[in-house]
Amino acid sequence: KNQVEQSPQSLIILEGKNCTLQCNYTVSPFSNLRWYKQDTGRGPVSLTIMTFSENTKSNGRYTATLDADTKQSSLHITASQLSDSASYICVVTNYGNNRLAFGKGNQVVVIP
Amino acid sequence: DAGVIQSPRHEVTEMGQEVTLRCKPISGHNSLFWYRQTMMRGLELLIYFNNNVPIDDSGMPEDRFSAKMPNASFSTLKIQPSEPRDSAVYFCASSSAGRDNEQFFGPGTRLTVL
Repeated sequence: KNQVEQSPQSLIILEGKNCTLQCNYTVSPFSNLRWYKQDTGRGPVSLTIMTFSENTKSNGRYTATLDADTKQSSLHITASQLSDSASYICVVTNYGNNRLAFGKGNQVVVIP
Repeated sequence: DAGVIQSPRHEVTEMGQEVTLRCKPISGHNSLFWYRQTMMRGLELLIYFNNNVPIDDSGMPEDRFSAKMPNASFSTLKIQPSEPRDSAVYFCASSSAGRDNEQFFGPGTRLTVL
């Protein structure tokens, strides 16, 4: 079973609307959690990173939250734009062995 | 700032052939990562170098895969012999200090093994 599960697998939203992506993980002990954005045909780009003590972090219209107790994170996109169409990947680092666990991504399509 | 450079961008080869993928990390970065991405499995870390030394190669699928980092500005990932199931996009990434720091990804090499 994958240690990082993301939902929904894909979604289509209208330009200007908000959306929230979910990431649940079982990685333990926890070190940090990153959200990456990957445009089609390109490498992932880091959006946010959060450690155990942080429960929210913003990067422009992207806001990530973390609940380390329930092992859940979300990425909220505000006022979506066409350029937000991408795959969003959640990555969790294991504090013990420093290994990374990857989710399979949320595929977001923003339509005009 | 050139970013991480990978070559070739696309590679099509026949089963059994040797494939070599190349990566030039960002200047000054001392950690380098090779990843593989497929629709089925998502993004997987294959191997991680720190100061040119392989630190974690637990993700390397089998002996057909090998990676080298002869100096701080160059790394290769070799598959010999290649198989159709190796078809994927291979990314190289670098960071200034280990897995915890932000990793900067290259554009990837799309490998197709026929």
